[in-house]
Amino acid sequence: DTAVSQTPKYLVTQMGNDKSIKCEQNLGHDTMYWYKQDSKKFLKIMFSYNNKELIINETVPNRFSPKSPDKAHLNLHINSLELGDSAVYFCASSPSGGANTEAFFGQGTRLTVV
Amino acid sequence: RKEVEQDPGPFNVPEGATVAFNCTYSNSASQSFFWYRQDCRKEPKLLMSVYSSGNEDGRFTAQLNRASQYISLLIRDSKLSDSATYLCVVNQAGRRALTFGSGTRLQVQP
Repeated sequence: DTAVSQTPKYLVTQMGNDKSIKCEQNLGHDTMYWYKQDSKKFLKIMFSYNNKELIINETVPNRFSPKSPDKAHLNLHINSLELGDSAVYFCASSPSGGANTEAFFGQGTRLTVV
Repeated sequence: RKEVEQDPGPFNVPEGATVAFNCTYSNSASQSFFWYRQDCRKEPKLLMSVYSSGNEDGRFTAQLNRASQYISLLIRDSKLSDSATYLCVVNQAGRRALTFGSGTRLQVQP
């Protein structure tokens, strides 16, 4: 059983389109995240949710809208895709989001905007 | 200045070598420290947490110097399978997200 699963694994789309990435975790964790890894491999937090509530929104354009229907799911919807959105998007989860806890990552979604 | 800084490498070392990676962090409120490993085109995975007294896990030793805001990872007797990118990670108290360095790439050669 995959602990943190995200779909799709690959996404190629044209500029201006709207797309969604889904994420689910079966670890019973309270906190979920979206991270973006750019072409320079730098991993940066985008959003953090705790028990379906938004905790962190790191100056992400409002074209990005996370949605957490329950604490096991955190989806990411992106409107009006731009070339600069091309990156690998990782979903992650951790128990209660405490400072000492390990984060478990999904396999990543490689988004290419053409 | 980045919150977490690492030498990007790559470090090219022969099998059996000992290699050390360094990392500095800028926020003195940082409370927790980790090393993650990321293989090519894969997700990051926890390698080890870093404790104030230093800790060891097999061939891997992590050290923390809070006064200098400096973290290190030592890998002894390098294996080909150690080839990966090593990410220095910190977390601030009360902040529910990890802050990653840009990673140091290690290539172990036969």
